[in-house]
Amino acid sequence: DGGITQSPKYLFRKEGQNVTLSCEQNLNHDAMYWYRQDPGQGLRLIYYSQIVNDFQKGDIAEGYSVSREKKESFPLTVTSAQKNPTAFYLCASSMGTSGAISYNEQFFGPGTRLTVL
Amino acid sequence: DAKTTQPTSMDCAEGRAANLPCNHSTISGNEYVYWYRQIHSQGPQYIIHGLKNNETNEMASLIITEDRKSSTLILPHATLRDTAVYYCIVKGRGSQGNLIFGKGTKLSVKP
Repeated sequence: DGGITQSPKYLFRKEGQNVTLSCEQNLNHDAMYWYRQDPGQGLRLIYYSQIVNDFQKGDIAEGYSVSREKKESFPLTVTSAQKNPTAFYLCASSMGTSGAISYNEQFFGPGTRLTVL
Repeated sequence: DAKTTQPTSMDCAEGRAANLPCNHSTISGNEYVYWYRQIHSQGPQYIIHGLKNNETNEMASLIITEDRKSSTLILPHATLRDTAVYYCIVKGRGSQGNLIFGKGTKLSVKP
């Protein structure tokens, strides 16, 4: 059963703590993305990775870090430097680029709702 | 990537067709129109995409005007489960990076 999974679904953390959100895909996709969504808003890009061992900052990367050591995994760490971390976090993947074509059909996980207490 | 404009919200009666418009007047020749939807508290779901011809799949139809400056997503027989936020996104297939999700259209299907 192919897809993209995120865990946990709900996460609570105390102010000042780092926390890592998991994202795994078995779709054999090259590209993976992390978005943040606040209530009533669209999605904003945090980080993305087009290939293993490489990633780029998105629009709101400050206070976050990522790694891409394996093709199927793209964990996101929310650090204590992130001033307002309470949000809904979404991970996505896509085929990436083949030649000059970028395949933009992204498949999303179910999301992790992070609440800072 | 070209910008898009969508109405904030729309209502539709259950069983009727839902027609969701999107304006993208600055679209360039190699940019595609993508539609996604997001049901409350879930991740967005890809629906359909097209370049200039009309497209249809098991979920919806996409009608793109001849000048490509606007498009309409059609859900032919809306159900209560189609209540969601629908996002129209324009992006070139040669363009790397993320999709830009605006605020979309909140579609409410009513019994």
